[in-house]
Amino acid sequence: AQSVTQLGSHVSVSEGALVLLRCNYSSSVPPYLFWYVQYPNQGLQLLLKYTSAATLVKGINGFEAEFKKSETSFHLTKPSAHMSDAAEYFCAVSEDTGGFKTIFGAGTRLFVKA
Amino acid sequence: SAVISQKPSRDICQRGTSLTIQCQVDSQVTMMFWYRQQPGQSLTLIATANQGSEATYESGFVIDKFPISRPNLTFSTLTVSNMSPEDSSIYLCSVSRGGQGLEEQYFGPGTRLTVT
Repeated sequence: AQSVTQLGSHVSVSEGALVLLRCNYSSSVPPYLFWYVQYPNQGLQLLLKYTSAATLVKGINGFEAEFKKSETSFHLTKPSAHMSDAAEYFCAVSEDTGGFKTIFGAGTRLFVKA
Repeated sequence: SAVISQKPSRDICQRGTSLTIQCQVDSQVTMMFWYRQQPGQSLTLIATANQGSEATYESGFVIDKFPISRPNLTFSTLTVSNMSPEDSSIYLCSVSRGGQGLEEQYFGPGTRLTVT
């Protein structure tokens, strides 16, 4: 069965600093992995996705994530944080086991300090 | 991508009443989903809305409490029946274009429900 663990419910960085949001997954088959962002009072928006092509995935707004099978990780990074990056970030996993289901992590709230 | 709208955006309801939430997509999509997001928590899938047939509910969610309709490929409704304060939550509609359901989802802005 698939599962997603996001380490750290809250992460705080200074503007211009590196952003690192951690995600580990469990899946019995090759997974599809996603990062979504949720701004206040809005729905979720796709940042990037991994679908077994390149292990380093580039997304919108300067974010990228690297799929590491040996570590079962899919951490999200951005070299330089901007105030507008403050939001809730969700890691998600989907797998094909004869039926569809996407599991979302608990979310990490990113705070960006001026 | 897909543009999704939900109505109402928020509502305050009395316990024991029902509320129907509408989800409209700007183009035909294969799969539509309903999620619940309780305050400060992640998303929990309620059900997959199937066009022309009964919705597929996840464990812990039943049709009598959360009846769902999907009359066509661009529209769905979720009803929260006989509400209690525990139903206070954000309800999100999402869609996926892929038939397998493995692809990314596009989300509506959500409906914020408060039950008093």
